[in-house]
Amino acid sequence: EVQLLESGGGLVQPGGSLRLSCAASGFTFSSYAMSWVRRAPGKGLEWVSTNSASGSSTYYADSVKGRFTISRDNSKNTLYLQMSSLRAEDTALYYCTKEGVDPQVFYFDSWGQGTLVTVSS
Amino acid sequence: DIVMTQSPDSLAVSLGERATINCKSSQSVLSTSNNKNYLAWYQQKPGQPPKLLIYWASTRESGVPDRFSGSGSGTDFTLTISGLQAEDVAVYSCQQYYSTPLTFGPGTNVDVK
Repeated sequence: EVQLLESGGGLVQPGGSLRLSCAASGFTFSSYAMSWVRRAPGKGLEWVSTNSASGSSTYYADSVKGRFTISRDNSKNTLYLQMSSLRAEDTALYYCTKEGVDPQVFYFDSWGQGTLVTVSS
Repeated sequence: DIVMTQSPDSLAVSLGERATINCKSSQSVLSTSNNKNYLAWYQQKPGQPPKLLIYWASTRESGVPDRFSGSGSGTDFTLTISGLQAEDVAVYSCQQYYSTPLTFGPGTNVDVK
């Protein structure tokens, strides 16, 4: 059974930094692209970033480009999201997601429970 | 960027009746190379993460009840729940994966009348 367990969320001041982690199990982590998707309070789902299976390719939403960095450690089956220069509008529940069975096609067949990031002074 | 819109914003359907949700993309998500529509549907119940229902516009994810079906092509898509059950109360969102940035529709809230 696929399991994705996010951690690292919390309360941070505007301009601060935070690193999210996602521990994956139940599948061959190194074979799948992984992504972060968020939902801000009262808003729809927003894709944040994707990391290819090998980690060699990364993609970002314009809203986080230059501030967030996605990475992975395939030896630890863990996905990361380093967030810096955080803004109030980054406040959201952040989900770790796994790509579906079709390689290099980014729909998400597994989701973690999410970790809450609150940016406030 | 491909903008996804959904209609209606919310709907209430009697148990056992049909629920229809529409999703429209600002440009075609149909690939001419493989004739596939890069469109997925998700269900999100309160307090739970989203769950994949449909991908390639009409392929049902394993374990999803067959009362859920997806249709459409190009820019116009539909998710149909044939015979609403109480456990189907949720927000339903479409997503295009034709190009980055990946984008979602705003969601449709489905409730029981």
